[in-house]
Amino acid sequence: GEEVAQTPKHLVRGEGQKAKLYCAPIKGHSYVFWYQQVLKNEFKFLISFQNENVFDETGMPKERFSAKCLPNSPCSLEIQATKLEDSAVYFCASSLGDYNEQYFGPGTRLTVT
Amino acid sequence: GDSVTQMEGPVTLSEEAFLTINCTYTATGYPSLFWYVQYPGEGLQLLLKATKADDKGSNKGFEATYRKETTSFHLEKGSVQVSDSAVYFCALIASGGSYIPTFGRGTSLIVHP
Repeated sequence: GEEVAQTPKHLVRGEGQKAKLYCAPIKGHSYVFWYQQVLKNEFKFLISFQNENVFDETGMPKERFSAKCLPNSPCSLEIQATKLEDSAVYFCASSLGDYNEQYFGPGTRLTVT
Repeated sequence: GDSVTQMEGPVTLSEEAFLTINCTYTATGYPSLFWYVQYPGEGLQLLLKATKADDKGSNKGFEATYRKETTSFHLEKGSVQVSDSAVYFCALIASGGSYIPTFGRGTSLIVHP
């Protein structure tokens, strides 16, 4: 597609429950990025993929967060045993190359209660 | 490390006023520079970009010029509209460095009729 698509738009989970977020990058883009926006204007990088391979996972809290980008499927970000501090908007972005501009999806707002 | 500094907001203007949002950066080498806009409840949209010194990026009446001598990339618009109300983020991707964009903290713009 011409835009990065993210689902769901909103997700509410009780503390300790699992959350799974999806992202469909722009067709032809090789790189996918996940960001977390907790405070209103700050973006924290989580993980990036080059096609289905993890490119950089230095931002991932590995104990509970995992992500995949499988061929012919939307990419996913999964949080096991959510905590209150995981409440945030999660953005996915895609780009043609690693140093190219990134195009962002509309985000998934995760609320952990 | 790389950094982006934006003027703190909110910036409050009347419709048809002139807009300047300052952005300065610190980076090694020759970064690519970007302005993104985030409308309420939405993701980041790429507004404009410049990839080398003296380049001018422009889109939707907004423009910014890559000034290497002052390490700046100020965003300007000659006549703002109420619909321009949003948060504006300056960002860079450093050549030869991390391909993860470094974002400024965002500047909120409020335009009154």
